[in-house]
Amino acid sequence: EPEVTQTPSHQVTQMGQEVILRCVPISNHLYFYWYRQILGQKVEFLVSFYNNEISEKSEIFDDQFSVERPDGSNFTLKIRSTKLEDSAMYFCASSEALGLRSGDTQYFGPGTRLTVL
Amino acid sequence: GQNIDQPTEMTATEGAIVQINCTYQTSGFNGLFWYQQHAGEAPTFLSYNVLDGLEEKGRFSSFLSRSKGYSYLLLKELQMKDSASYLCEAAGNKLTFGGGTRVLVKP
Repeated sequence: EPEVTQTPSHQVTQMGQEVILRCVPISNHLYFYWYRQILGQKVEFLVSFYNNEISEKSEIFDDQFSVERPDGSNFTLKIRSTKLEDSAMYFCASSEALGLRSGDTQYFGPGTRLTVL
Repeated sequence: GQNIDQPTEMTATEGAIVQINCTYQTSGFNGLFWYQQHAGEAPTFLSYNVLDGLEEKGRFSSFLSRSKGYSYLLLKELQMKDSASYLCEAAGNKLTFGGGTRVLVKP
């Protein structure tokens, strides 16, 4: 069964450093998403991406965040200058063709645990 | 603004039924999702409701009342593996998750 994959599974970085989290969405999916979940807290939407551009973003997704689809398979989240409060699990997800607001099923990757020291 | 409320925790017995409620206040509404999340794992999709009424999928059912801003997830014939957090997500003008309801199934 196709699945969303994410690398690395764990990332430890120093405050102020840049990190890139990588995701490979399911191959025929057109919508891609990033979420984060701080330990013990709720899942928070960051951004959705469709047709090579951001379709929606939350207030969390400020100028220190960016997303890119550098090739036909990868979808990346870059955090330019990490802060302690960026420590969280970051989930990538993808959906097929209609997008969340039309009831598309999202498939989540296993997550990358980011620890900022 | 957007607000999603769910109970924090529920306990039920194996074989029983549990109902997890979710109330929401959103600007705009494009549907409500339920996910299951086991500890340390990613959420997995359970259901989507956009029209009023009950959607049944095997042991799991989800209900929506748009006029009341209310949904519930019904888990029947509980199994030990159903012990997990259940997340409600409202697709309004913003995509917002509730805090999740941790369900503990006891033998």
